[in-house]
Amino acid sequence: EAQVTQNPRYLITVTGKKLTVTCSQNMNHEYMSWYRQDPGLGLRQIYYSMNVEVTDKGDVPEGYKVSRKEKRNFPLILESPSPNQTSLYFCASSLEGRTAYEQYFGPGTRLTVT
Amino acid sequence: RKEVEQDPGPFNVPEGATVAFNCTYSNSASQSFFWYRQDCRKEPKLLMSVYSSGNEDGRFTAQLNRASQYISLLIRDSKLSDSATYLCAVIPLSGYALNFGKGTSLLVTP
Repeated sequence: EAQVTQNPRYLITVTGKKLTVTCSQNMNHEYMSWYRQDPGLGLRQIYYSMNVEVTDKGDVPEGYKVSRKEKRNFPLILESPSPNQTSLYFCASSLEGRTAYEQYFGPGTRLTVT
Repeated sequence: RKEVEQDPGPFNVPEGATVAFNCTYSNSASQSFFWYRQDCRKEPKLLMSVYSSGNEDGRFTAQLNRASQYISLLIRDSKLSDSATYLCAVIPLSGYALNFGKGTSLLVTP
């Protein structure tokens, strides 16, 4: 089954404790992206990757890091989480980024930073 | 001005009604347009792409108006299962990001 998976689905952590949210897709997609969704603010892009070893900032990259060492994986790293990073996070992938291809979203990771 | 704007609603309509949503975008060089559907606390899923010539899929019709820089979604014969948040999304010519509107909430009632 073609899908995007994220882990963990739910996470409660404390300020400053480094964490990684994993994202993996099995569709051989070149483009992958991370979004956060907050009430009243909608979906905002954090980082995206056009292909292996190619990443770029989205609209809200501060406090986040990413890496793309393999085509299928695109982990999101919070080196020192803060409460304002409490949010619902989605990973997405598509065949390419700059064409009218469908973006497939993972099921989401609900992160709470206390 | 936000790049993609939508009326947040909520739109409350009875079953069988026709409802229309609009979404405006500010970047005239935008090249690709989409409507996504998002159920509560779930991931967005593509509803339909929006082509220059319009696009129809069953009860759903999407239109693009480049001159006025908006896209629209028309839902005919609304079903209870259409209740969701509808997100419009735009890819600008100059970038690779998918810019989303904040979404329009639809509630279809019996």
